[in-house]
Amino acid sequence: GEDVEQSLFLSVREGDSSVINCTYTDSSSTYLYWYKQEPGAGLQLLTYIFSNMDMKQDQRLTVLLNKKDKHLSLRIADTQTGDSAIYFCAETPSGNTPLVFGKGTRLSVIA
Amino acid sequence: SQTIHQWPATLVQPVGSPLSLECTVEGTSNPNLYWYRQAAGRGLQLLFYSVGIGQISSEVPQNLSASRPQDRQFILSSKKLLLSDSGFYLCAWSVLAGAGEQFFGPGTRLTVL
Repeated sequence: GEDVEQSLFLSVREGDSSVINCTYTDSSSTYLYWYKQEPGAGLQLLTYIFSNMDMKQDQRLTVLLNKKDKHLSLRIADTQTGDSAIYFCAETPSGNTPLVFGKGTRLSVIA
Repeated sequence: SQTIHQWPATLVQPVGSPLSLECTVEGTSNPNLYWYRQAAGRGLQLLFYSVGIGQISSEVPQNLSASRPQDRQFILSSKKLLLSDSGFYLCAWSVLAGAGEQFFGPGTRLTVL
């Protein structure tokens, strides 16, 4: 079956850059998403990238997509303590089926 | 604007008791609706999704069931809870099935003792 892979934990110092990686499985995915979950809350869409793009930048966030390797990354520049959360990547499988989420990467920012 | 509500926010139930979690969406019509469970260290597990009233797809066989009695209402139920049912239950909706971005509710924390 489909399996979106993410490392479970990442720890960075405040002010450094964070890079969260994701490997997806369905090469026909049209959109790839990054969601953020703060403690005790639901998921919020952070950003997304269309499959015909290699990179998307939105303020402190940069998404890189390598379709050949089916690798997606999220870079957060100047990481702040408020960025501490769980980050999920999600792919759009072929057919009319729901998004497939990774297990999430817990980002801890050390002041 | 669209909003999604979940009720209750937290719940503590004994093993063997029934369960009913409610999710409602406002500000949109005919949404696709989803129930997820998030257990510690296991990420998001899709339980059920619905593309319309009375249309429920089950992703994982278990002692839970879902119903959609109204267009914007999605109910998650169980007749007898197990310890393993503990977790954080999230409801979500989307405009499009499949590729559509999903919008999540605030979640219900269920503890089964």
